[in-house]
Amino acid sequence: DAGITQSPRHKVTETGTPVTLRCHQTENHRYMYWYRQDPGHGLRLIHYSYGVKDTDKGEVSDGYSVSRSKTEDFLLTLESATSSQTSVYFCAISTSPNYEQYFGPGTRLTVT
Amino acid sequence: GQQVMQIPQYQHVQEGEDFTTYCNSSTTLSNIQWYKQRPGGHPVFLIQLVKSGEVKKQKRLTFQFGEAKKNSSLHITATQTTDVGTYFCDDAGGTSYGKLTFGQGTILTVHP
Repeated sequence: DAGITQSPRHKVTETGTPVTLRCHQTENHRYMYWYRQDPGHGLRLIHYSYGVKDTDKGEVSDGYSVSRSKTEDFLLTLESATSSQTSVYFCAISTSPNYEQYFGPGTRLTVT
Repeated sequence: GQQVMQIPQYQHVQEGEDFTTYCNSSTTLSNIQWYKQRPGGHPVFLIQLVKSGEVKKQKRLTFQFGEAKKNSSLHITATQTTDVGTYFCDDAGGTSYGKLTFGQGTILTVHP
């Protein structure tokens, strides 16, 4: 597997609190992505990055923000967590949008 | 990228039976990527198809891209319990920055 780690791997938090998830890569890939996975919805893109400080929204970006200050790190922040954001979050990387993506192990987030 | 529709959503087979999942799009696809996700795991890249009518094989797996590049299929011959998981397809092209959106996936269960 590609060198991608996600932290934390599991988190339980309360409604209204901010949460930050971290994705770290050692592959020096330009593109990084955040997805959420929910039963019946497959993988949905939240935000993606095409370079340091270059990010854009995906299809389900409301309530989420991202930052990428270094090539290797892509942070996903839930500004005020809601129960609807309970999900499994995957980070992915690729060298090009036309090439394969490599996924991290995922973070299971529960918002109570 | 654009979302493709996958059918069926679920498939239960007896070990040794064949299995096929389909991806369909109303518009022409740039290229198709296939991924497999084991239960509790993360998606793993299987293959990419680019050319019209392209057929690729990986052991018992056969991947096909339609002549009109509007559909693709994944066929598994003589399923094994190790084939259990969710199979996703995605149109990986379409934009410069890879707004990748996966289909809902096909969940395969193999009964021994």
